[in-house]
Amino acid sequence: DAKTTQPPSMDCAEGRAANLPCNHSTISGNEYVYWYRQIHSQGPQYIIHGLKNNETNEMASLIITEDRKSSTLILPHATLRDTAVYYCIVRVRRQGAQKLVFGQGTRLTINP
Amino acid sequence: SAVISQKPSRDICQRGTSLTIQCQVDSQVTMMFWYRQQPGQSLTLIATANQGSEATYESGFVIDKFPISRPNLTFSTLTVSNMSPEDSSIYLCSVERGTEQYFGPGTRLTVT
Repeated sequence: DAKTTQPPSMDCAEGRAANLPCNHSTISGNEYVYWYRQIHSQGPQYIIHGLKNNETNEMASLIITEDRKSSTLILPHATLRDTAVYYCIVRVRRQGAQKLVFGQGTRLTINP
Repeated sequence: SAVISQKPSRDICQRGTSLTIQCQVDSQVTMMFWYRQQPGQSLTLIATANQGSEATYESGFVIDKFPISRPNLTFSTLTVSNMSPEDSSIYLCSVERGTEQYFGPGTRLTVT
């Protein structure tokens, strides 16, 4: 089972920052938080990941709370092409391998 | 990143038949993963394929139904056996590279 909960849907205006929340209250100390997005049945696209420090790359920023029980993905200037389903995932170790177990994700709609 | 290709990109098959999906990666990887995405649903991990060893299957998936081959470090196949309409899904290959995981474009399977 996925270790994350996300709102099923969100809307954001084009040009504004999109802030996508995620709860992962049962995360273990060595488990990473990953974010992916999926645009209309294409393969999921990697966005960013982190352990405890905030992370930033050319796509987004990831803010992880100090207790690591929640995080927020920030798209600083959302465009219409950012409309997608966004998955917050805790990477877990099962059967000797690190695995991504997907939850239901947040359907983000960017409005003009 | 990783360049992953899958064949076929889509297929329509009759119930009771089998389909083998191929996954090719542009460079050597240790771990490969197979996911299923049923219509309107999130991704579900089917199995993990480590080169040189038997694939490990997640709960609810069995080798007789989804046999996997991993003959080398750049290639894997997933067979969907004795298909029924409930097997209609997108099947995705994924590879691990360092701490990141990348997905192929998927194979859209429709069983009639």
